Amino acid sequence: DAGVTQSPTHLIKTRGQQVTLRCSPISGHKSVSWYQQVLGQGPQFIFQYYEKEERGRGNFPDRFSARQFPNYSSELNVNALLLGDSALYLCASSLGTTATISGQPQHFGDGTRLSIL
Amino acid sequence: QKEVEQDPGPLSVPEGAIVSLNCTYSNSAFQYFMWYRQYSRKGPELLMYTYSSGNKEDGRFTAQVDKSSKYISLFIRDSQPSDSATYLCAMSLQGAQKLVFGQGTRLTINP
Repeated sequence: DAGVTQSPTHLIKTRGQQVTLRCSPISGHKSVSWYQQVLGQGPQFIFQYYEKEERGRGNFPDRFSARQFPNYSSELNVNALLLGDSALYLCASSLGTTATISGQPQHFGDGTRLSIL
Repeated sequence: QKEVEQDPGPLSVPEGAIVSLNCTYSNSAFQYFMWYRQYSRKGPELLMYTYSSGNKEDGRFTAQVDKSSKYISLFIRDSQPSDSATYLCAMSLQGAQKLVFGQGTRLTINP
């Protein structure tokens, strides 16, 4: 079975540009979360979506936005890129249920490596 | 102070040794505890997943959670060179999907 897939794998942008990262969850998974991992650090939570609704947001500026589509895939958008946005952006999916979306183990993709020049 | 503290290492041990990896945390409300393994240029891979306190064993891996001490551990028995990776602890609250990660410990198993 296919795992979480992310595209592109690597992206180079310049300051001030905008970027869109894409994620396809594991088949049957309805919850998608986005994390930012700076080199040498653990991942930091950005967003969580379940059934196309935002269910959680981390401590990131409004330049970061996301959405989830009817097929449960998701996009992360970052506007007005800064040098500090250079990182590995990870997408994770989990089953979720109508009753609860907590406590479900999350499975990660291999990420998109974003470099800002 | 970070919510989750993890010694970044690096940690280097000979093949076959028992490895002990640890994390401490400050938020007593955390209920779910995970260990992920991350190889270079790859995403985190879920190794162990536990709820509340206690032990869980899966092959060569054992996870322990001590909520009274706010301390979690991962033990790797009969370590192999293929276990060389960064190990991340993560935890979450009841009713939330947000994972809070430690910094990660870089582990090298020497043949």
